[in-house]
Amino acid sequence: DQQVKQNSPSLSVQEGRISILNCDYTNSMFDYFLWYKKYPAEGPTFLISISSIKDKNEDGRFTVFLNKSAKHLSLHIVPSQPGDSAVYFCAASAYSGAGSYQLTFGKGTKLSVIP
Amino acid sequence: DTGVSQNPRHKITKRGQNVTFRCDPISEHNRLYWYRQTLGQGPEFLTYFQNEAQLEKSRLLSDRFSAERPKGSFSTLEIQRTEQGDSAMYLCASSAGLADGDTQYFGPGTRLTVL
Repeated sequence: DQQVKQNSPSLSVQEGRISILNCDYTNSMFDYFLWYKKYPAEGPTFLISISSIKDKNEDGRFTVFLNKSAKHLSLHIVPSQPGDSAVYFCAASAYSGAGSYQLTFGKGTKLSVIP
Repeated sequence: DTGVSQNPRHKITKRGQNVTFRCDPISEHNRLYWYRQTLGQGPEFLTYFQNEAQLEKSRLLSDRFSAERPKGSFSTLEIQRTEQGDSAMYLCASSAGLADGDTQYFGPGTRLTVL
């Protein structure tokens, strides 16, 4: 069972427009959510995060929205730039009880920003 | 701050051989995680260290896998008697703990190919 789902494998957006990437989760114990960006043959790069006590977090062109009742979060990139083209992973964490806050990842959404 | 580093970046081995990967976390981070990523999937949790103590292991970590973090600094992940199914990207991440929401920062990964 997939606890974190990214239902869109890919997304194409024109440069300068808004990119919206979506993520749904099923585990109500998740209390911290993160977005990572990944280029081929590299490790994931941390972008932005949000705690479950908030509904919005903004950092420059990136904004993450959290709707706890719907178990849904989204990443907005405005304006989109060609350098944003990458695979974006949604991740969620909860205390495991054994000491870790291991991350559970979605399968990723490949964003292509067209010049 | 040099970030998380991993060596080697690529490893090709024959089935049945043993391999060892190294991870050097961000220097002030006491938490260290190992993940595995296969094609088309998000990273999956393998194991967690707090300082030198290995506190959690995933059921994905078979008895052919062993990880260590001597002195709470760098970590090694060894796979004995490799199988073709072990082919994946092995990712290491470190974090500073809850003051930062336990945000995990990833290294570039080690790509393992088992022939």
